[in-house]
Amino acid sequence: DSGVTQTPKHLITATGQRVTLRCSPRSGDLSVYWYQQSLDQGLQFLIQYYNGEERAKGNILERFSAQQFPDLHSELNLSSLELGDSALYFCASSVAGQGLSGNTIYFGEGSWLTVV
Amino acid sequence: GQQVMQIPQYQHVQEGEDFTTYCNSSTTLSNIQWYKQRPGGHPVFLIQLVKSGEVKKQKRLTFQFGEAKKNSSLHITATQTTDVGTYFCAGLYNFNKFYFGSGTKLNVKP
Repeated sequence: DSGVTQTPKHLITATGQRVTLRCSPRSGDLSVYWYQQSLDQGLQFLIQYYNGEERAKGNILERFSAQQFPDLHSELNLSSLELGDSALYFCASSVAGQGLSGNTIYFGEGSWLTVV
Repeated sequence: GQQVMQIPQYQHVQEGEDFTTYCNSSTTLSNIQWYKQRPGGHPVFLIQLVKSGEVKKQKRLTFQFGEAKKNSSLHITATQTTDVGTYFCAGLYNFNKFYFGSGTKLNVKP
């Protein structure tokens, strides 16, 4: 158990809908990261927050948004869902931000999203 | 655009043989991270390299970051069946954008 909690574990929704994925980081971790893993796209970094502020951005679509709240939990909002958004979405956390040697990143078990 | 190229895509080795996966970027990286993902599992962070020419070891795993901070490698000595999985590198650009390599899937035959 990495200490990173993601909900829901599985989610099935229809195209055009909006969903919210939730992540609770490990106790004491200030950074939260979101990743998308699909069969044809591999593992993609979406976005990172550090202590409530956006720190780094990857290939995150405009239909997707995220935020980190004062209690450090984070939510990833996916809207106008398309079939291609079906994927496993991982959240991860670390004590600090990027660029620090030895800064370990811990992954949650992921949220499976199926868009039908 | 910025991207991280990772090779090989697949590697099949006999248990006890060595294994290396390589990542290359056309532009300088701020840092590079390595992950391992077992089949059906979530990525596990292995290491982060920050300094030019940095070499780090974790038991049978050796990680290198090139002098120009444009390439990196992961070398496993004397592979074991427990090493099976996909190894990903991820490069950070300008401390702002983060891109994963496509991964190298390692299969180890006992």
